[in-house]
Formats: sequence, structure tokens, C-alpha cells
Amino acid sequence: DAGVIQSPRHEVTEMGQEVTLRCKPISGHDYLFWYRQTMMRGLELLIYFNNNVPIDDSGMPEDRFSAKMPNASFSTLKIQPSEPRDSAVYFCASSSSYYNSPLHFGNGTRLTVT
Amino acid sequence: KQEVTQIPAALSVPEGENLVLNCSFTDSAIYNLQWFRQDPGKGLTSLLLIQSSQREQTSGRLNASLDKSSGRSTLYIAASQPGDSATYLCAVKGTDKLIFGTGTRLQVFP
Repeated sequence: DAGVIQSPRHEVTEMGQEVTLRCKPISGHDYLFWYRQTMMRGLELLIYFNNNVPIDDSGMPEDRFSAKMPNASFSTLKIQPSEPRDSAVYFCASSSSYYNSPLHFGNGTRLTVT
Repeated sequence: KQEVTQIPAALSVPEGENLVLNCSFTDSAIYNLQWFRQDPGKGLTSLLLIQSSQREQTSGRLNASLDKSSGRSTLYIAASQPGDSATYLCAVKGTDKLIFGTGTRLQVFP
């Protein structure tokens, strides 16, 4: 099992540009989560999907953020337009159930917005 | 609102010591508690998951306990090794989201 795969590992962009982060969950996992990690706020849940359907997006900070999951093996998190305060590490994670299974994380995308 | 606290924030110990990391939470209505390890520049790796009905879980040199009534969990690491150096996070799954603590940064020196 290759685990959760995220790309790119690093992204540096200028303010105002569009950023797209990508995630491939573990095959067979029905739940996919997007988290953001910063020194100030720690790990924050942005949104999660169940069977490709967004269930809770209350953590998405603003309308500039959007996430999609067109199929069971692919999800994207898009920021448009990006701002310096979006700089953080963005993690994708997946699990086979919501309450009883461990969460498996990807290695994250470190985003820097200048 | 669930709050998760980890003490200490950082710990430095010599190789071979047995050590205990602490996690406390404010709302005892939980489904499970998970312990994770995070290495620099990497994602989180799940170490142990304790269901609310369980008291402890063991994996190798790791043992995690859960006391829901007091809102506490401990992660015991036996015979620590330099390879155990990492940040350890606990996370509590309640009726809402998985809430993470801020972590304990552990350094084990030879």
C-alpha cells in the first residue's frame, strides 16, 4: 500500500495566484480529510468527504478555498486568490470509517505565499 | 467545546529511559482517542487508537491508556531510543471533529 499521496510537496507562489493541491487517498478508504497545520493554530480540519461527497466544510476559512473529490481516488484543494496568511502545511488524510479507524496522513504540501 | 492539552510541550531524555507523555481533554463524551507521531517535514503516523470502551492499547514498546472519567490519556514509551525522537500528538474523536492536542516534542539522545 502506497499510503496517502499528496502533490506537490512544496509550493511557492505569489499573492493573488491560484494554488491547487492534490491528494490520492488509500484505496478502499471512504473518508478523506483536508487539514491545515500552522505553528499558531496547530492542526485544523478544513473539510471532509464521505464517498466523494463533502460532509462538513465548516472549517474552510473563506470562499477563496474550495475542495472537490471527483472520484474515490482523487481530491483537490484550491485556493484562489492566495494570500500570505494561507502559508501553512496542508495535509490530506483518509480512513476506512469515521469513528473506529485510524487516520492515515500524507506527507503534506508546504505552501508559501509571498 | 472539546479542548485537548498535552504536557509537557517538550521533553529531552537519555536513551534507555521509560517515559510518559500526557494528554488531557475536557469533554468525556468521546468515541476514541488516537496517538500520532510526526517527524519533521512529514505527515502524522498513527501509533495507537483506543476506543472509548477500552482502557489501553499496546504496540511493541508503546502502551496507551485511557481514563474517560478523568479526561486523561497517557502514552508510555519503554526503553526509549534515539529513533523515537519526534513530536507526539494525541487526538480525540467526539461527536464532532477529531480534535488534536498541540503535541509533545520528544528528543532522545544517545
